[in-house]
Formats: sequence, structure tokens, C-alpha cells
Amino acid sequence: DGGITQSPKYLFRKEGQNVTLSCEQNLNHDAMYWYRQDPGQGLRLIYYSQIVNDFQKGDIAEGYSVSREKKESFPLTVTSAQKNPTAFYLCASSQQGMNTEAFFGQGTRLTVV
Amino acid sequence: GDSVTQMEGPVTLSEEAFLTINCTYTATGYPSLFWYVQYPGEGLQLLLKATKADDKGSNKGFEATYRKETTSFHLEKGSVQVSDSAVYFCALGSNTGTASKLTFGTGTRLQVTL
Repeated sequence: DGGITQSPKYLFRKEGQNVTLSCEQNLNHDAMYWYRQDPGQGLRLIYYSQIVNDFQKGDIAEGYSVSREKKESFPLTVTSAQKNPTAFYLCASSQQGMNTEAFFGQGTRLTVV
Repeated sequence: GDSVTQMEGPVTLSEEAFLTINCTYTATGYPSLFWYVQYPGEGLQLLLKATKADDKGSNKGFEATYRKETTSFHLEKGSVQVSDSAVYFCALGSNTGTASKLTFGTGTRLQVTL
């Protein structure tokens, strides 16, 4: 089945450690996105990528990094510079163009202790 | 910049009641508009969309009309069910140079009771 897969579903890390969240899609979509979801704040865009080897900062990129070495993969690293990393992270993909539907993964809940 | 404003929840309704969730937006140009739904512990799913003014999106009994004059995209359903309980997000799609992105509202939680 085609879709977008995030792993792991739950992730616990100690404060000060970097952690990488996985996002893979087999929909042959060009565009991929990372969002952060906090209670009462909706979804905020962290990074997005329209093509392999290229990506742009979203609204809250500080403390995060990404790579786009393959079309199907867009991993997100939460670095120790992120002041409040505990959140629900959602990855999405879409065909090019603002009219097209975005498909979301099931999310990764990151808890930093 | 682009922004989406949704009515705050939670919205609590009895089964078979009429639902309206308000959504207004601010954007340059001519964005596309979407409603997404999120069930507990899951990602978002597209519910409906409209790509130009006066378009009506519809799916599973839900409807929303793209009103350019009032910059609104209100979600409606004539008779809600318990299974409609979820969080609903209004979003707009826009171009930023060579890229396109979605901007989301804060979400509205709907709880439907028997």
C-alpha cells in the first residue's frame, strides 16, 4: 500500500541529546514537510522540501535540521539547541502545487526527560 | 504572511445536531483551502478542499464553500454522529516563489454525545 511512514511512534530521549525522526513515503511525491503539533497551537511548519537535495526553513526551524538525499526520505533531527522539544511531530508529503492534497504520517510523539 | 483563524473549541453537540466550525483566512493571491480531520493519536486526513472562489468542497456529509468576499471557509454538517468526534483543522495552500506550503489553523475539537 502507498503511504507515508513515520517511526518510531513514541520516542524518549534525555535532555541534551540529538534525536532523529524518520519519515519515508512511497507515493512518489516531490514535496515533503515536517510539522510540530502542540496543544492549542495547531500545526507549525518546521522545514519543507520541494525537491531532492533542497529544503527551506519553515516558521519554527531553530533547533532542528533536515536532509533530503532521496526523494522518498526526509528525516528530521531535533538537536540539543531546541529549547522545548517535547511535542507531537507530523511528516507529510504532496505532489507539487498548492492545490494538491497533503498526506500525513501517523506521527511521532517525542518526550524529552 | 498567510494565516488561518478558527473558532476555539471544544465544540460539544448532541448526535444529529447541526455543526458549523468557522474558519477565516488571510493570504496574498489566490490560495486553495482545505479542511483536515485528526482522530486521536493519528495523523491528519484530508476531509475536503476548494481551489477557487465559490467552489464548494464536500465529503461524508461535510461541506464548505470558498468565500473570497468574506475570506472564509466555514465547515458545516447537517447531522453529526458520534463517530465525527475529532479535531478539525482549516488550512490554506499557497505558493512562495518556487515552493508551495500549507498553513494551518489551531484546530477545533468536536465532541459528539448520544
